[in-house]
Amino acid sequence: GNSVTQMEGPVTLSEEAFLTINCTYTATGYPSLFWYVQYPGEGLQLLLKATKADDKGSNKGFEATYRKETTSFHLEKGSVQVSDSAVYFCALSGPSPTSGTYKYIFGTGTRLKVLA
Amino acid sequence: DAGVTQSPTHLIKTRGQQVTLRCSPKSGHDTVSWYQQALGQGPQFIFQYYEEEERQRGNFPDRFSGHQFPNYSSELNVNALLLGDSALYLCASSVSGGLTDTQYFGPGTRLTVL
Repeated sequence: GNSVTQMEGPVTLSEEAFLTINCTYTATGYPSLFWYVQYPGEGLQLLLKATKADDKGSNKGFEATYRKETTSFHLEKGSVQVSDSAVYFCALSGPSPTSGTYKYIFGTGTRLKVLA
Repeated sequence: DAGVTQSPTHLIKTRGQQVTLRCSPKSGHDTVSWYQQALGQGPQFIFQYYEEEERQRGNFPDRFSGHQFPNYSSELNVNALLLGDSALYLCASSVSGGLTDTQYFGPGTRLTVL
């Protein structure tokens, strides 16, 4: 079935460091891909999305490119801030290979801690 | 513009009891999906409601049921609670009944089963 695999955390960086959080997926057809962020005690917020191959999603300095050839959607940011400390979830929305209906599948999340 | 709201914020129940969680979607949204997020895990899809009917369902037992009202708000009911049902329950809303659409999440209800 469809699945999402994220790099395990926690990831600890100093302020202004470069961030990469890896995400790869397995899916039927052409899923939409998402990154969500969850701050402590809060629900998930959409960070960025891409709906077709080679699309680049971007928001708040974060970027991710939909790479169909490598089935990846890695999250990057050139210079992280303390306020970026949160849990980041990669997700896909695509048709189930068995039922054909669309479902959201989330990765297990990667905790990012940024030190001042 | 109000976002997705959920109530209550926290809830403590004992095994065997029943619980009802509530969700109001973002203004203009007509579709509600429910997720269970265990500690340290990603959200797991429970089911989705559109036009007052359950349209899709994840791998959850029949103890989990729901309802959508004419104003698009929704309830999640869990019967015969188990310790393993302890989790953060998230509601997400979207437009036009599709899971390909961007979903907007509420802050969640933290359920503890003792």
